[in-house]
Amino acid sequence: AQSVTQPDIHITVSEGASLELRCNYSYGATPYLFWYVQSPGQGLQLLLKYFSGDTLVQGIKGFEAEFKRSQSSFNLRKPSVHWSDAAEYFCAVGARGSSNTGKLIFGQGTTLQVKP
Amino acid sequence: DVKVTQSSRYLVKRTGEKVFLECVQDMDHENMFWYRQDPGLGLRLIYFSYDVKMKEKGDIPEGYSVSREKKERFSLILESASTSQTSMYLCATVTGTGKNQPQHFGDGTRLSIL
Repeated sequence: AQSVTQPDIHITVSEGASLELRCNYSYGATPYLFWYVQSPGQGLQLLLKYFSGDTLVQGIKGFEAEFKRSQSSFNLRKPSVHWSDAAEYFCAVGARGSSNTGKLIFGQGTTLQVKP
Repeated sequence: DVKVTQSSRYLVKRTGEKVFLECVQDMDHENMFWYRQDPGLGLRLIYFSYDVKMKEKGDIPEGYSVSREKKERFSLILESASTSQTSMYLCATVTGTGKNQPQHFGDGTRLSIL
């Protein structure tokens, strides 16, 4: 069965430090991959997406992610974290046969705390 | 920009009540989704709809139903609310043009059942 795993439930980094959030997926073909961010009390906002082509994708707010097929991973990175980046982050994969429905499978989420 | 509006940000209801959560989108998207979000469990799909009057069960449909009479509006109904349904509910939409596109989310409804 398809699945998405975010191994880290909670991460704390200092402001200005680099960040990497991990995401592993289980999928038989080339996946459609997404990262979303959720600020407290808000809905989810798309950070970036990967469909095909260049495996390093750039997103909003200075985030990037790298698709590694051999590791079934799509890790999210940012070189220097800002206090406003404190939020919950979700990785998602397009469900099999979902090209017409748009269904997604979400990971459990990673909560990012930023220390001053 | 796509706008997805959920009718209430916070809602408090009593056990046994029939509860309606409304979601409206302004982008003529074919596909709409209802999720519930609980700590440590991520987002779980309750129901989705790919056209007016068309619906499909998600992963956790028990205790819920949906209604889609117009393309822009997708309602989630708790037939007889229980305390286990206290949660954050998120509505999302996506165009159904045949390729995976990002879902667009509303701000959520935090529902408390007392």
